[in-house]
Amino acid sequence: AIQMTQSPSSLSASVGDRVTITCRASQGIRNDLGWYQQKPGKAPKVLIYFASSLQSGVPSRFSGSGSGTDFTLTISSLQPEDFATYYCLQDYNLWTFGQGTKVEIK
Amino acid sequence: QITLKESGPTLVKPTQTLTLTCTFSGLSLSTRGVGVAWIRQPPGKALEWLALIYWDDDKRYSPSLKNRLTITKDTSRNQVVLTMTNMDPVDTATYYCAHRREVRPYYFDFWGQGTLVTVSS
Repeated sequence: AIQMTQSPSSLSASVGDRVTITCRASQGIRNDLGWYQQKPGKAPKVLIYFASSLQSGVPSRFSGSGSGTDFTLTISSLQPEDFATYYCLQDYNLWTFGQGTKVEIK
Repeated sequence: QITLKESGPTLVKPTQTLTLTCTFSGLSLSTRGVGVAWIRQPPGKALEWLALIYWDDDKRYSPSLKNRLTITKDTSRNQVVLTMTNMDPVDTATYYCAHRREVRPYYFDFWGQGTLVTVSS
């Protein structure tokens, strides 16, 4: 089974900060990776698919990069509504989530 | 618009079998490419994919839980059912069903609200 290692598990940041979250796959997964945002008590919603494609309606401050085994989600200027938990999800072979990154207010 | 809703018991005893139903609208499991998945999340922990069933009845299971899971569909009733045997307190979680897009990119675009299942004697 493919393992996804996501880091950090949590981070504290201020509004306006640039935030970077990484995911590493245990084997190459091409660009079959998505990023999801989850707010407390809510279902996740997709932000990025194919590693770097922005889902319709998602603000352009969100971006994704990477291919193969190493992937990054970047929020260029953190906004109050971005405080949430973020997960990567590989769908190259079955599906595996990363452990999540909780973005908290500094 | 696609909607999904999970239903089932909120409390099960250890060793019992859990049966959850995902009832959906706005999609048909007879449409080529459609998939419906089950995903869970223990309180305060990460998401975990469990199983997925495709329009053609092809099924995929999490390797770590494969022996305990069965996923089935009832196309006429617009439902997908997940059974999990031998429940344990560590299986306490919110269980979500989600729609996998039938065309690339194949992400989960619509999710149910989730249902919390507690395993306790």
